[in-house]
Amino acid sequence: GDSVTQMEGPVTLSEEAFLTINCTYTATGYPSLFWYVQYPGEGLQLLLKATKADDKGSNKGFEATYRKETTSFHLEKGSVQVSDSAVYFCALRTRYNFNKFYFGSGTKLNVKP
Amino acid sequence: SQTIHQWPATLVQPVGSPLSLECTVEGTSNPNLYWYRQAAGRGLQLLFYSVGIGQISSEVPQNLSASRPQDRQFILSSKKLLLSDSGFYLCAWSSAGNTEAFFGQGTRLTVV
Repeated sequence: GDSVTQMEGPVTLSEEAFLTINCTYTATGYPSLFWYVQYPGEGLQLLLKATKADDKGSNKGFEATYRKETTSFHLEKGSVQVSDSAVYFCALRTRYNFNKFYFGSGTKLNVKP
Repeated sequence: SQTIHQWPATLVQPVGSPLSLECTVEGTSNPNLYWYRQAAGRGLQLLFYSVGIGQISSEVPQNLSASRPQDRQFILSSKKLLLSDSGFYLCAWSSAGNTEAFFGQGTRLTVV
């Protein structure tokens, strides 16, 4: 079945460090891929998305590239800030069952000043 | 613009009591609606989704049920809560016109 696997956390970084959170997926066909962010006590907010292979989603300094050959959608940021501390979720929406979203287990990021 | 409202924000209920969480969406028609649960320190589990009024799909057997009495209203219910029902419940919507899902602010449910 369709699924998303992302690296376990927590990830602890110092401010201005480089961030990578790995995400791989299993899906029939070519899904749409997403990264969501969740701040404490809040719902999920869309961070970025990519709808086809080789697309790069970007927002607020975060980037992720849809890699069909490796079925991956890794999240990166060149210089993290304390305000980036949150839980990050990778997700997919399949084309054959457009009604369902599948989420990874989430990766908690702690950025220390 | 579209907005999603979910309430209450927090709820403490005794074991065996009933539950009703409500979610409404504004600014769109015929949305897909979802209920997710997030247990402490864990990922999102899809509980129910609905593609139209009265159409509910259940993803996992559990102590909960969902209803969609109106196009933009989605309700999560239980007749008798269990301790294991504690968690953070999130409502979301999507449509054919948007690829992503949009989430409410969530309800923190503690069963004591």
